[in-house]
Amino acid sequence: DTAVSQTPKYLVTQMGNDKSIKCEQNLGHDTMYWYKQDSKKFLKIMFSYNNKELIINETVPNRFSPKSPDKAHLNLHINSLELGDSAVYFCASSHSGAGHTEAFFGQGTRLTVV
Amino acid sequence: AQSVTQLDSQVPVFEEAPVELRCNYSSSVSVYLFWYVQYPNQGLQLLLKYLSGSTLVESINGFEAEFNKSQTSFHLRKPSVHISDTAEYFCAVSEVQGGSEKLVFGKGTKLTVNP
Repeated sequence: DTAVSQTPKYLVTQMGNDKSIKCEQNLGHDTMYWYKQDSKKFLKIMFSYNNKELIINETVPNRFSPKSPDKAHLNLHINSLELGDSAVYFCASSHSGAGHTEAFFGQGTRLTVV
Repeated sequence: AQSVTQLDSQVPVFEEAPVELRCNYSSSVSVYLFWYVQYPNQGLQLLLKYLSGSTLVESINGFEAEFNKSQTSFHLRKPSVHISDTAEYFCAVSEVQGGSEKLVFGKGTKLTVNP
């Protein structure tokens, strides 16, 4: 069973389109994250949610809107896609409030904007 | 804010040679440190972590890392690498923000093991 699953794995789309990436975790964690990995492999947090509540929004453009219908899901919707949005997006989850528990990552969604 | 520096962007080694991947972090009162590995076209997997206690931590596949507070380092080592260790390695520190925590990553070190 996949612990953190993201769909789709690959996404190619044109500039200006709107797209969504879905994420689900079956680990019983109450915190979920979105990280972005750029073309140079640099990983940076975008958002974190705890029990469906937005906790961290790391100065991400408001074209990016995360939605958490329940604590097992955290979807990422992106409006008006731009070339610079091309990256690999990773969903992750962990237990909350504990710097000592590991974050489990999904396999990533490679977004290519053309 | 925390920061993590991985001094080497690429490390090529021959199979069965020892390797050290360097990581330094910005100092803090308490710190939790992690090494993650990313195999080609895959997500990140936790390799090992330091939370407290013994400063030497080990993974199940032969890697170890030592927390050195005075040098603010958490270097990753393996005495003898295999071809299958070829991957990108990320050092990370946990930072608490707004009551939630996040991982702050270094820029990664690409380890290439050659036959």
